Amino acid sequence: AQKITQTQPGMFVQEKEAVTLDCTYDTSDPSYGLFWYKQPSSGEMIFLIYQGSYDQQNATEGRYSLNFQKARKSANLVISASQLGDSAMYFCAMRDLVGQFYFGTGTSLTVIP
Amino acid sequence: EAGVVQSPRYKIIEKKQPVAFWCNPISGHNTLYWYLQNLGQGPELLIRYENEEAVDDSQLPKDRFSAERLKGVDSTLKIQPAELGDSAVYLCASSPAGAKNTEAFFGQGTRLTVV
Repeated sequence: AQKITQTQPGMFVQEKEAVTLDCTYDTSDPSYGLFWYKQPSSGEMIFLIYQGSYDQQNATEGRYSLNFQKARKSANLVISASQLGDSAMYFCAMRDLVGQFYFGTGTSLTVIP
Repeated sequence: EAGVVQSPRYKIIEKKQPVAFWCNPISGHNTLYWYLQNLGQGPELLIRYENEEAVDDSQLPKDRFSAERLKGVDSTLKIQPAELGDSAVYLCASSPAGAKNTEAFFGQGTRLTVV
C-alpha cells in the first residue's frame, strides 16, 4: 500500500503569492515523522521542514509551514511569498518507527514572474 | 561538517557491463540508505543499513544488484550486469539511528545511463 500520496503532479504560482502542496499519508504507527524535501534541477535533496506525529503545533521554518491535520492524515506544505528560486520538485516523506523513509511521487512547482 | 559524499556523479556504461557506486555517509550516522530515483518520480528504497547490517533489502533486485557496508561506514552498490532499465539516479542518504525526528541527509546522487 502506498504510504505517501501527492496528487498534484504540477503546480504554478505567481511570484510573491502563497502556494499549498498537498500530501496525505497512510500508517498505523502511533509515532512517525513527516518531512518535506525540495529537489531543484541540480538534483540534490534539500530538507525543508519536519513535523512529529505528537506535535500539537504546526511546524514553521521561515517561509515554509506545514499544515498538519492528523485525523485526516494530511501534511500539506505551505510556501508563502513565493520566489523564483522556489521552482523545483517537492517531495513529502514519512519516517516510520524503524527509521524507514517513504517518499511520495513529488509535485513540480513553477513560480511565474 | 562534511555531507554525504557519493561518487561518481555521472556514469555511462554499455548494457551487460558491471558498475559500482560508492557512498561515504556523515560521520556518526549509523543508518545508511540507497535509493533509486527514476525521472519525475520519488526516491524508492533499495536497501537500508543499520551499521554494517542490511536490515531491509526487500526491494533490492538481488539477481543483479548487490551492496555492502564494510565496518559500518562507507557503502558500495553494485549492478552486474546492467540493463537499459537501470538508467536512473542512485541516491545515498544517512541518518542517526533511532532519531525519528531527524531527516535523512542525501548525497548528490549518481546519474547512471545505460546504453
